[in-house]
Amino acid sequence: AQSVTQLDSHVSVSEGTPVLLRCNYSSSYSPSLFWYVQHPNKGLQLLLKYTSAATLVKGINGFEAEFKKSETSFHLTKPSAHMSDAAEYFCVVRPTTGGFKTIFGAGTRLFVKA
Amino acid sequence: NAGVTQTPKFQVLKTGQSMTLQCAQDMNHEYMSWYRQDPGMGLRLIHYSVGAGITDQGEVPNGYNVSRSTTEDFPLRLLSAAPSQTSVYFCASSLRRTTNYGYTFGSGTRLTVV
Repeated sequence: AQSVTQLDSHVSVSEGTPVLLRCNYSSSYSPSLFWYVQHPNKGLQLLLKYTSAATLVKGINGFEAEFKKSETSFHLTKPSAHMSDAAEYFCVVRPTTGGFKTIFGAGTRLFVKA
Repeated sequence: NAGVTQTPKFQVLKTGQSMTLQCAQDMNHEYMSWYRQDPGMGLRLIHYSVGAGITDQGEVPNGYNVSRSTTEDFPLRLLSAAPSQTSVYFCASSLRRTTNYGYTFGSGTRLTVV
């Protein structure tokens, strides 16, 4: 069985401070893990992906995530938040075997204060 | 390169009416899927297709039909709309069946059933 849990439904940071969006997963198989961003009234855009290569993954717009198998986590970070980062972020898990069932987390809405 | 195009962007239906949500991609992607997004529930898979002529159900298929006669198009049909189908619908495609590839999403269709 697979699942993904985004630990915070809302995160609020000040511009210029670090961002941490937390994601834990459960998978019977070695998963591929993704982070997507959704700006208001837009579709989802791929930020970064982990597919069993390097455990520290760099994505677009300065975001990165670290795959920690022992903690079953894939937290998204950014050193310095920008106002344009305000959006909803989704952690996603896909199994590398056993079909195409993709699981989306419930989402974390990031607010960035000036 | 248009990516994934969804039409219409907005639609209001009366209960019992039928309609088709259109999805087209021009990237020669093998895999296409339909999701619905509801507040606090992330994205849930309705139907998916791994190639022309092949479709399968996701986790919430009831009330929806799909077909895939060409690689490019993957329409979603609501046969008899119900208020519970009020949602935002996203079409997504992926280059291959394997999980190393992320999704490209359309910009969504906001459907209201009254």
